[in-house]
Amino acid sequence: AQSVTQLGSHVSVSEGALVLLRCNYSSSVPPYLFWYVQYPNQGLQLLLKYTTGATLVKGINGFEAEFKKSETSFHLTKPSAHMSDAAEYFCAVVNNAGNMLTFGGGTRLMVKP
Amino acid sequence: DGGITQSPKYLFRKEGQNVTLSCEQNLNHDAMYWYRQDPGQGLRLIYYSQIVNDFQKGDIAEGYSVSREKKESFPLTVTSAQKNPTAFYLCASSMPRPYSNQPQHFGDGTRLSIL
Repeated sequence: AQSVTQLGSHVSVSEGALVLLRCNYSSSVPPYLFWYVQYPNQGLQLLLKYTTGATLVKGINGFEAEFKKSETSFHLTKPSAHMSDAAEYFCAVVNNAGNMLTFGGGTRLMVKP
Repeated sequence: DGGITQSPKYLFRKEGQNVTLSCEQNLNHDAMYWYRQDPGQGLRLIYYSQIVNDFQKGDIAEGYSVSREKKESFPLTVTSAQKNPTAFYLCASSMPRPYSNQPQHFGDGTRLSIL
């Protein structure tokens, strides 16, 4: 079965600092991977996805993620944090049957002025 | 604009009462999903439906029921058997297999509380 582990349920950075949110997955087939962002009392919005091809994936709002098969990782980064980036971030992997997502537990990003 | 509409945004349930959460989508997606979100626990799948008139239990289906009579609609009923219904409920839709590389789209959620 697939699983997703997000290391660090809370991450705090200063405005302008690098953002690094970690995601490790397990999958017995080549994975499809997603990062979503959730603002308070809202649904999830897709940031970026990896399916095939280039392992460095660029998303919205200046975020990017790199798929590393050897490390089974899909960490999310942003060079310079903005206050508006404060939200909860979820990493997800499609299951082997291809009909469901398995989500990590989420990481709440806090941005200090 | 295409999207998913969940209603109501806030809902209160009395003891012993069934309540129904609405989810409508105009994305022409075949697959629809219901998730429950509790603080610090991420999203847990309640039910999903790959096609009209068919649905499957997810990881935490006990105390919940669904129907899928129309492609656009996937209502969730929280029954009195669900003893701890206070949570944030999210509905999502997507293209079904073999398009599993396409993302799920989410509504803005319904927050359910017990009176």
